[in-house]
Amino acid sequence: DAGVTQSPTHLIKTRGQQVTLRCSPKSGHDTVSWYQQALGQGPQFIFQYYEEEERQRGNFPDRFSGHQFPNYSSELNVNALLLGDSALYLCASSLDNAGAVTDTQYFGPGTRLTVL
Amino acid sequence: GNSVTQMEGPVTLSEEAFLTINCTYTATGYPSLFWYVQYPGEGLQLLLKATKADDKGSNKGFEATYRKETTSFHLEKGSVQVSDSAVYFCALANSGGYQKVTFGTGTKLQVIP
Repeated sequence: DAGVTQSPTHLIKTRGQQVTLRCSPKSGHDTVSWYQQALGQGPQFIFQYYEEEERQRGNFPDRFSGHQFPNYSSELNVNALLLGDSALYLCASSLDNAGAVTDTQYFGPGTRLTVL
Repeated sequence: GNSVTQMEGPVTLSEEAFLTINCTYTATGYPSLFWYVQYPGEGLQLLLKATKADDKGSNKGFEATYRKETTSFHLEKGSVQVSDSAVYFCALANSGGYQKVTFGTGTKLQVIP
């Protein structure tokens, strides 16, 4: 059973560019969340996708956007990159259990983004 | 809002020493509590979890007890190994509906032979 996969592993961009990161959830999971982990810090919640809709968002600007596809995979897009966007971007998947305690999130290995 | 506070690192221990990493939280309702571990160069792995008060999560010799009265979820291990060297994150998620995990800042553990 494949876990959460992310691509690419590493990425180098320059300021002002745009980037797209990809995530495939664990088999059987339908919910994808994205997190940003700056060096030496804990992950910070960006947003969560369920049924192809963004249903919860953290304190991130509109430059951060996403998409979820019918097969539950997801993309994170960041426009107008800033130096401060350099971080490890983590994708996590879970199974939405409507009306009950939600299931644990399982994390992918992350994409290391460096903005020069 | 939700928040997690965990002890500052790094923590350096000799092999076979006893480990405690303190974690306290602030949350509304009855959150689920987690410990995640991040080995060098890798993503986060769920280490253990507890979903209600007085539950004890355990895995690989690590354990933590959900203490609602002290809003704590301290991580313990009786005898650490060099392979336990990693960064440990305490985290919480509110139950019901959407799950957004709030993490602490992490505690780096280094175990020396």
